[in-house]
Amino acid sequence: GAGVSQSPSNKVTEKGKDVELRCDPISGHTALYWYRQRLGQGLEFLIYFQGNSAPDKSGLPSDRFSAERTGESVSTLTIQRTQQEDSAVYLCASSPLAGYYNEQFFGPGTRLTVL
Amino acid sequence: AQSVTQLDSQVPVFEEAPVELRCNYSSSVSVYLFWYVQYPNQGLQLLLKYLSGSTLVKGINGFEAEFNKSQTSFHLRKPSVHISDTAEYFCAVTRPSGNTPLVFGKGTRLSVIA
Repeated sequence: GAGVSQSPSNKVTEKGKDVELRCDPISGHTALYWYRQRLGQGLEFLIYFQGNSAPDKSGLPSDRFSAERTGESVSTLTIQRTQQEDSAVYLCASSPLAGYYNEQFFGPGTRLTVL
Repeated sequence: AQSVTQLDSQVPVFEEAPVELRCNYSSSVSVYLFWYVQYPNQGLQLLLKYLSGSTLVKGINGFEAEFNKSQTSFHLRKPSVHISDTAEYFCAVTRPSGNTPLVFGKGTRLSVIA
């Protein structure tokens, strides 16, 4: 079956612009995660959606970052007024079950470059 | 707070040789431990996980890892590697409560040489 898909695969933007990244989870997966991976670093947790519960936003680095998810479908991560330090690969993952310890299925990522 | 240290950023190894990728964690409470693998141009996928029970955990593609609580380690091993094992390997930790995000290490790039 289809895996997690993300778009665009690459995004180059200018400092100060807003960007929107999209994630399509595996159908039926109730949990959805966003991570950021800077060059040479591990994955940093950003946000977690679980069904209709309030999302866990504890990993968002600043109020320039926000994310939305409608039900158990697509999610968008928005970064406003991008800065050069926002350059990273943004990864989305989904899981059929709630709880961080359940297997997460990752998408290929969106590589964001802020000039 | 939890943290994960992957002691080697790169590990080159010849085909059919054994390999060990090291992972140490820091936590004051019980943990669940994971290894994820990212093959070239693919998303991360779960290799194996330790939740409870036997400290020796077997995963996909012939990999195994041993949870050592006294050493706070969860090293990944394979007795004989293949070219297809070339990938980046990430160790991760979380709490059994299920409401704590995974904390990932920086990754170890395994390069298998023919």
